[in-house]
This record gives sequence, structure tokens and C-alpha cells, in this order.
Amino acid sequence: AQSVAQPEDQVNVAEGNPLTVKCTYSVSGNPYLFWYVQYPNRGLQFLLKYITGDNLVKGSYGFEAEFNKSQTSFHLKKPSALVSDSALYFCAVERGDDKIIFGKGTRLHILP
Amino acid sequence: DGGITQSPKYLFRKEGQNVTLSCEQNLNHDAMYWYRQDPGQGLRLIYYSQIVNDFQKGDIAEGYSVSREKKESFPLTVTSAQKNPTAFYLCASSIQTGTGNQPQHFGDGTRLSIL
Repeated sequence: AQSVAQPEDQVNVAEGNPLTVKCTYSVSGNPYLFWYVQYPNRGLQFLLKYITGDNLVKGSYGFEAEFNKSQTSFHLKKPSALVSDSALYFCAVERGDDKIIFGKGTRLHILP
Repeated sequence: DGGITQSPKYLFRKEGQNVTLSCEQNLNHDAMYWYRQDPGQGLRLIYYSQIVNDFQKGDIAEGYSVSREKKESFPLTVTSAQKNPTAFYLCASSIQTGTGNQPQHFGDGTRLSIL
């Protein structure tokens, strides 16, 4: 069965430092992977996706994600964190028929 | 601007009452979805629809009902059979490709609470 895991409930990073939000997945076949961000009392916003091709995917707001097939991971990264990056981040994997499974989310705190 | 509109933003339900959450999209998307978000549990799929006049149950459909009479609209009714309805409800839509590689677009949610 398709599944996705975000092992950290919360990540704290100082402003200006690089950030990583971890995601691992379990799928049969080639995975379609997504990252979304949610600000308080708002819906989710799409950041980036991996379908095929380059293992490093670039997305919105300076975020990127690295697909690693051998480690079944799709970690979200940003070289220099901003306070405005503080939000709830969701990793997701496609489970067939255009349906998506979401991880439980990781709350990112950027400390000024 | 194209997008998804959910209303109301906040809703209160009395004991034994059915309530309906509205979701409208002007993105011309075929597929629409309803999710429930609880703290620490991520998003769980309630119902989804891939075409007008057709919809399927998701993972937690009990106590909920939907309709899809128009492409733009996918209302969700939380019935009195749903004993724990307090949650944040999110509606989403996507282009239907059958390949699963299209992102979903989300509304800003409805927060439902019990009176």
C-alpha cells in the first residue's frame, strides 16, 4: 500500500540557516511526490512535485526537494530560511486515480 | 482570478443537526475532493468526484454525504450521524489526467464546531 511518513512533528531553524524537512515514502512502481505548505487557517498551497527526471526539483518561494530512490526519501530543503517560512508542511504521494495520501505534517519554526 | 471558494469560514452545529459546507471552483477542473483535517493527523479523504453526477467514498465517508450536480460545485453535508464533526474541512480540485501527476488546488477551509 502507498504511504508517506514525516518523522518530525516540528523543526526549528534559525533565520538565515539552511532548512530540511524530511519525508519518506512507500509506493509500488514509480512515485509521484508532492510538497504543500499550509499557513494558519488557510488551505494548502502547492510547492513542488517530482514526477520523473532530475532528482533535484525546484519549486515556489526558493524551496527545492531531493528525490532519493534508494532511500525512498523526498526531503524538502531551502538554503537560507526566512521567518515567513514558518508554517505547516505536508509531503504527499499519489495513490492512484488522481488521489493523494498526505503525511501528518511537520511544523516549521524559523527563529529570528 | 481562478480558485476555490469555501463557505462559510466558521460553522457551528447543534446536536442532531445536519449542516452543509459549500465548495465552488472556477478552475474548470473535473476532479473535486473533500478532506478532513484534525491536529496531528494530516488530511483524510472523505469523498471525491471525478466527473459530474458521480462521486466515490474516501477513507472516512461515514456520517457525510455529497452531491455533484454541477462541475463547479461539490457541497458536503455533515449529518447528525457524524458523532465527532469538529474539524477543519478542506475542499480541493485538480485536473483529471488519470496519471496522478497533477497537484491539487485547495480552498481556505471551513472550521466546524459543536455547540
